[in-house]
Amino acid sequence: EPEVTQTPSHQVTQMGQEVILRCVPISNHLYFYWYRQILGQKVEFLVSFYNNEISEKSEIFDDQFSVERPDGSNFTLKIRSTKLEDSAMYFCASSEQGQGAAQYFGPGTRLLVL
Amino acid sequence: EDQVTQSPEALRLQEGESSSLNCSYTVSGLRGLFWYRQDPGKGPEFLFTLYSAGEEKEKERLKATLTKKESFLHITAPKPEDSATYLCAVQGSTSGTYKYIFGTGTRLKVLA
Repeated sequence: EPEVTQTPSHQVTQMGQEVILRCVPISNHLYFYWYRQILGQKVEFLVSFYNNEISEKSEIFDDQFSVERPDGSNFTLKIRSTKLEDSAMYFCASSEQGQGAAQYFGPGTRLLVL
Repeated sequence: EDQVTQSPEALRLQEGESSSLNCSYTVSGLRGLFWYRQDPGKGPEFLFTLYSAGEEKEKERLKATLTKKESFLHITAPKPEDSATYLCAVQGSTSGTYKYIFGTGTRLKVLA
């Protein structure tokens, strides 16, 4: 069964450093998403991406964040200058359709900023 | 503002003891209500999508129902392997085109 994959599974970085989180969405899906979950809190939307551009973003997704689909399979989230409060689990998701469609989540990348 | 509230926060059941989890929502223009299962340290695993009041979906011991204000996830004769956090999410037309708004989840523990 096709699934969303994410690398790395864990990342530890120093405050102020740049990190890139990588995702391979399900191959025939057209819509891609990043969510984050701070330990013990709810899953929060960051950004959605369709047709090679951001379709919507939350207030969390400020200028420190960017997304890219560098090739036909990968989808990346870059945090330019990490802060302590960026420590969270980051989930990539993809869906075949947009509105009303089930989103399929990857296993997550646990990011720890020291 | 679109909102999702799940109750109870935590639930302990004996194996075989049926129960229901609640998801109350406030959303303009519901595009879909989604149930997920999340195991510790893992990503949410898709269970069901519901679109309109009166709709029901079933999968093994789980059954999801939807009204205009809430959704229930009924668990019939649960087993220890059903232990997980169950998440409810909604997608509405005014909160954003594609984003999900998640509830905080119900942590279910099924004892053997």
